[in-house]
Amino acid sequence: AQSVTQLGSHVSVSEGALVLLRCNYSSSVPPYLFWYVQYPNQGLQLLLKYTSAATLVKGINGFEAEFKKSETSFHLTKPSAHMSDAAEYFCAVISNRDDKIIFGKGTRLHILP
Amino acid sequence: DVKVTQSSRYLVKRTGEKVFLECVQDMDHENMFWYRQDPGLGLRLIYFSYDVKMKEKGDIPEGYSVSREKKERFSLILESASTNQTSMYLCASSFPPQYEQYFGPGTRLTVT
Repeated sequence: AQSVTQLGSHVSVSEGALVLLRCNYSSSVPPYLFWYVQYPNQGLQLLLKYTSAATLVKGINGFEAEFKKSETSFHLTKPSAHMSDAAEYFCAVISNRDDKIIFGKGTRLHILP
Repeated sequence: DVKVTQSSRYLVKRTGEKVFLECVQDMDHENMFWYRQDPGLGLRLIYFSYDVKMKEKGDIPEGYSVSREKKERFSLILESASTNQTSMYLCASSFPPQYEQYFGPGTRLTVT
C-alpha cells in the first residue's frame, strides 16, 4: 500500500534562509507526486507535480522539488524564504494502480523575521 | 480560471441536525471529492465520485452520505450531526488524465 511521510509537523526558518520540507513515499509502482500549499483559512493550492518526466520539478513562488527514486523522496526546497511562505504544506502521492491520492499529514512552515 | 466553490465558509449547527454542504466546480471535471481536515491528522477522504450518480466510500464514510445529481455539483450530507464532526471540510475536483486536484476554500463546520 502506498503512503506518504512528512518529517516534521512544524518547521521554522529565518527570512532569507533555505526552506527544506521533507517528504518520503512508498509506492510499488512509479508514482505521481505533488506538493500543495494551504494558506490560513483557504483550500489547498497545487505548488508542483512530478509525473515521471524531469526529476527536478519547478513550481510556483520559487519552490522546486527533486524526485529521488533511490531514496523514495520528494523534498521541497526554496533558496530564500519569504514571510509570505508561512503556510501549511502537504505532500501527496498517487499510484497508477488505483488512482487514489494519499496526502501526508502536513508540515506547517513558520518564517522568523 | 479554475474554480471550485463551497456554499458556506463557516457553519454552526446543533447536534442531531441534518447538514448539507454543497460544492460546485466549473471545470467540467469528472472526479469530485470530499475531505475533512483535522489538526495532526491531515486530510482524510470521506467520499468521492467518478461520475454523475456514482459514489465511492473513502477512508471515513461513517456518519456521512453524498449526492451527485449533476456533473458540476457534489453534496456532502451529515444525516445527524454530532460534535465529533466539527471540522474543516474541503471539496476538490479533478480531470482523470491530469490527476491533480483543485480545491475549494473549505467550510469550517462547528457542531454544538
